[in-house]
Amino acid sequence: GAVVSQHPSWVICKSGTSVKIECRSLDFQATTMFWYRQFPKQSLMLMATSNEGSKATYEQGVEKDKFLINHASLTLSTLTVTSAHPEDSSFYICSARGLETYTDTQYFGPGTRLTVL
Amino acid sequence: SQQGEEDPQALSIQEGENATMNCSYKTSINNLQWYRQNSGRGLVHLILIRSNEREKHSGRLRVTLDTSKKSSSLLITASRAADTASYFCATDDGNTGKLIFGQGTTLQVKP
Repeated sequence: GAVVSQHPSWVICKSGTSVKIECRSLDFQATTMFWYRQFPKQSLMLMATSNEGSKATYEQGVEKDKFLINHASLTLSTLTVTSAHPEDSSFYICSARGLETYTDTQYFGPGTRLTVL
Repeated sequence: SQQGEEDPQALSIQEGENATMNCSYKTSINNLQWYRQNSGRGLVHLILIRSNEREKHSGRLRVTLDTSKKSSSLLITASRAADTASYFCATDDGNTGKLIFGQGTTLQVKP
């Protein structure tokens, strides 16, 4: 149980375009989802916390107008990278925790590799 | 922001040997968790230790926590080539639900 999926697993886009990444909890209701970014050979950096039905809370230094997060249902959160640039190329990982899961544990998706040309 | 340091940054050992990784953190925590990440993949949750626990075991994994020193260690015994991965500690303050990750240790286990 407690499976989180991400789609797509990888995406290549042109500079200036927008890219949407989906994060789904498959077998539990995720009241909270988290979005992380990971550059090569580095650790995960928390970008934002997303609670179902409310606005996301962004970490310091993360542009909320550039990284749009929507958590419209208890099983789906989306991250949209708007007007993507090469420096946005990274590995984006989501995680989820919810009512049915052990409350202290976050379950991570497999990640989405974004390459902006 | 990063919570703290992990050391070593990289570790290379022979199969069958033990691997020890250390993690230090800066703020008060509710629990500390260890994760494994294979290259280019997502994270796998290994073990969670609460702030009132000092040691925890899971299979070949042994985790210790010293809240007075704000540090934790992960010991992998009898390592296998399949243990080759990056290992991250992450702390949870128990209030926000956020996990703050350490910088990670890259472990290579040579067959």
